[in-house]
Amino acid sequence: AQSVTQPDIHITVSEGASLELRCNYSYGATPYLFWYVQSPGQGLQLLLKYFSGDTLVQGIKGFEAEFKRSQSSFNLRKPSVHWSDAAEYFCVARYNNNDMRFGAGTRLTVKP
Amino acid sequence: NAGVTQTPKFQVLKTGQSMTLQCAQDMNHEYMSWYRQDPGMGLRLIHYSVGAGITDQGEVPNGYNVSRSTTEDFPLRLLSAAPSQTSVYFCASSRTGQGSYEQYFGPGTRLTVT
Repeated sequence: AQSVTQPDIHITVSEGASLELRCNYSYGATPYLFWYVQSPGQGLQLLLKYFSGDTLVQGIKGFEAEFKRSQSSFNLRKPSVHWSDAAEYFCVARYNNNDMRFGAGTRLTVKP
Repeated sequence: NAGVTQTPKFQVLKTGQSMTLQCAQDMNHEYMSWYRQDPGMGLRLIHYSVGAGITDQGEVPNGYNVSRSTTEDFPLRLLSAAPSQTSVYFCASSRTGQGSYEQYFGPGTRLTVT
């Protein structure tokens, strides 16, 4: 079965530090790839998406992600983290247009 | 523009009871789906629909039924609730076809089965 792996369950970074959240999708035809963020008790908000073309995609709130086909990865980055970025982040792959697979999520804590 | 709405926000059921979680969207999206979110497991797809009259199973369909009689509505039915169905449920919708169409999520329904 198709799957998405987020190896880091919990990450803590200091405010102002850089951030990278890892994501790997199972090998096969390249799915559509997304990163969503969920603040405590809230729904999910799309940060960015990748379909084709430029492998570095820009999203909202200063986030970017890089697609690497050779590594089946789609890592999320931000150069300088803000306290308001504390949330849970989900990497999502959409296979065959309908089969959506979520990673287990990475919880981000931001230290002052 | 309401987007995706879900009712109720909270629900407590006893084992064996039935109920329907409601989901509606006003964006004329063909694709609608239901997920459950459990700690440490992300969101898992329960059922989805690509249009009125068309539904299919996702990753964890057992214990749940769906139907899609209109484009706007996609209710999720629990026929006989079990404690294992305690979870937060999210409904989502999107366009279909080629393209990286994002899903729009509802605010969620927190269900507890005792």
